[in-house]
Amino acid sequence: DAGITQSPRHKVTETGTPVTLRCHQTENHRYMYWYRQDPGHGLRLIHYSYGVKDTDKGEVSDGYSVSRSKTEDFLLTLESATSSQTSVYFCAISEAQNGYTFGSGTRLTVV
Amino acid sequence: AQKVTQAQTEISVVEKEDVTLDCVYETRDTTYYLFWYKQPPSGELVFLIRRNSFDEQNEISGRYSWNFQKSTSSFNFTITASQVVDSAVYFCALSEAGDDKIIFGKGTRLHILP
Repeated sequence: DAGITQSPRHKVTETGTPVTLRCHQTENHRYMYWYRQDPGHGLRLIHYSYGVKDTDKGEVSDGYSVSRSKTEDFLLTLESATSSQTSVYFCAISEAQNGYTFGSGTRLTVV
Repeated sequence: AQKVTQAQTEISVVEKEDVTLDCVYETRDTTYYLFWYKQPPSGELVFLIRRNSFDEQNEISGRYSWNFQKSTSSFNFTITASQVVDSAVYFCALSEAGDDKIIFGKGTRLHILP
């Protein structure tokens, strides 16, 4: 299996609190992505990174920030969690355009 | 702008039947890549296939086959002699050349009934 892990796997948090999700890879891939998956919406891109300290917004970036200080780690932060951010979050890695390898997902519930 | 449409939200078939999942895409690029991913009930996302826009040959892998037709902007996925283990959500996706990201369709949930 490609070395990509997400943590935590499950989290319940309260509205208004900050939350950070971590994606860690051991493949030294250049590109890393954060998606959210919601019923009826499929997978939607939140943010992505094409290198250390190089990030860009996806289609649903409002309320989220990211950081990539090392090749292997890509952090997703919900600055002030809202119930609409309850979702399953997937991290993915890729090299060139060979397709993604996904992490196992993080199920986040905001109460 | 790029877009992927999977018009079939949910499909149910009886085991051993053949089933085709439709995928229609939109892009202005002449060079692009198409993908299919499978998400079984366990939740992980599994890569199935990648095709580039210059290769219109149909692909077969065991019971799976893919029909790429540029004339209709479609990249359909057929499962022959379906099995219960094929029950999953299937996503079609598109990436344009020079773009670093993949855009996904909303997925088709496939139920294979025993």
